[in-house]
Amino acid sequence: NAGVTQTPKFQVLKTGQSMTLQCAQDMNHEYMSWYRQDPGMGLRLIHYSVGAGITDQGEVPNGYNVSRSTTEDFPLRLLSAAPSQTSVYFCASSPEWDRRQETQYFGPGTRLLVL
Amino acid sequence: GQQLNQSPQSMFIQEGEDVSMNCTSSSIFNTWLWYKQDPGEGPVLLIALYKAGELTSNGRLTAQFGITRKDSFLNISASIPSDVGIYFCAGLLIQGAQKLVFGQGTRLTINP
Repeated sequence: NAGVTQTPKFQVLKTGQSMTLQCAQDMNHEYMSWYRQDPGMGLRLIHYSVGAGITDQGEVPNGYNVSRSTTEDFPLRLLSAAPSQTSVYFCASSPEWDRRQETQYFGPGTRLLVL
Repeated sequence: GQQLNQSPQSMFIQEGEDVSMNCTSSSIFNTWLWYKQDPGEGPVLLIALYKAGELTSNGRLTAQFGITRKDSFLNISASIPSDVGIYFCAGLLIQGAQKLVFGQGTRLTINP
C-alpha cells in the first residue's frame, strides 16, 4: 500500500488563482479529512468526508471546497486563492468510524504559497 | 472555542538527556493523543490515552492522561538524534460530533 498520497508537494499561486490539491489513499478507508497547519498553531480541520458522496465542514472551511466521488480520492479546491491560505495542507484517512480521529494516517503534506 | 496550550514551544538538548513536554487546557477531553512530525512529513501517532490517570509507554516514550482530564504530558528518556522533530498533543472531544483539537507543537532539537 502507498498509504495516503498528496500532490503536489509544493505550489506557488498568485492571488485569485484556483487550484486543486489532490489526495488519494489505497487502504479502502471510509473517513478522510483535510487539515491546514500554520506556524505556531496546531492542525485545524478544513473539511471531512465519512464516505463517497458525503462531505461536511470542519473548523475552517471558508475558501475551500471538497468532493468525494470515490472512496480513494478526496480533492481540496481553492476557487480564488488568498495570501491567508498560505499554509501546509495535510490529508488524512482513517479505517475506523468509532475511532476515526485517533486512527488517522496523514499524508506527507502540500506546501502552498499564495503571493 | 477549545484551545490547547503546549509547552515548551522549542527545546534544545544534548543527546542522552530526558525530555518532558505538556499540554493543558481549560476544556475536558475524552482522549489525549501525542504525535510526532518529521521534517517534510505528516504527523504520526505515538501514543493514545483514553482514561484519566492512564500512564502509557511506547519504548522510550511515556505519556500520561491528567487526572483532571484537562492536561497530558509526554516524556522521552535518553534522547537520540532520531527523536528530532515536532511533537504535537491533541485532545479529542466527543460532544455530538467528534472534535480533535491540536496543540501548537514542541520543536525538539538535539545536539550530538
